[in-house]
Amino acid sequence: AAGVIQSPRHLIKEKRETATLKCYPIPRHDTVYWYQQGPGQDPQFLISFYEKMQSDKGSIPDRFSAQQFSDYHSELNMSSLELGDSALYFCASSGQTSERDFGPGTRLLVL
Amino acid sequence: QKEVEQDPGPLSVPEGAIVSLNCTYSNSAFQYFMWYRQYSRKGPELLMYTYSSGNKEDGRFTAQVDKSSKYISLFIRDSQPSDSATYLCATLVYNFNKFYFGSGTKLNVKP
Repeated sequence: AAGVIQSPRHLIKEKRETATLKCYPIPRHDTVYWYQQGPGQDPQFLISFYEKMQSDKGSIPDRFSAQQFSDYHSELNMSSLELGDSALYFCASSGQTSERDFGPGTRLLVL
Repeated sequence: QKEVEQDPGPLSVPEGAIVSLNCTYSNSAFQYFMWYRQYSRKGPELLMYTYSSGNKEDGRFTAQVDKSSKYISLFIRDSQPSDSATYLCATLVYNFNKFYFGSGTKLNVKP
């Protein structure tokens, strides 16, 4: 069965650069969630979208923005990258039930 | 106090042992309970999902919820080295899209 797809899987950037992470939800899932997991830390909820509208906001820095497109994929845009942004960023999608499926994550390294 | 408490381990068991992983939660409004497995450097994958109190079985895995004591358990029978991973419990308040993870228990199954 198709799963949540994220791209790229790995990304290396330098400080003050920008990065764009993409998440493709499971077909017929209309909600996308973004999480950030730093080394040795719990996953932190960043932001979620339902039907292309922001539905919830967590601890997302002002330097980050996100949106959900008409095909329900979502992009997380990260600007003025800092060393502390190095983390695993994973997204999840859900549909009619509260069950969520997670993507494999994008590992971002900021040098 | 965190919404969901989970013993971080690590937990080390011999192959074939029965493993018991546990979480407690504080909010009686939580209605959905999930267990995720996370291999090193990967995103979490959903293992089990339960709504009501009681047991739910899936192969070697059994999820148990006791809403009266706010206690969640995951049992793994005939544990295998491939079960070595971090297991996270998670809860959700219906329709609020607020997703609470436990901190995860690291399990090591020795051959």
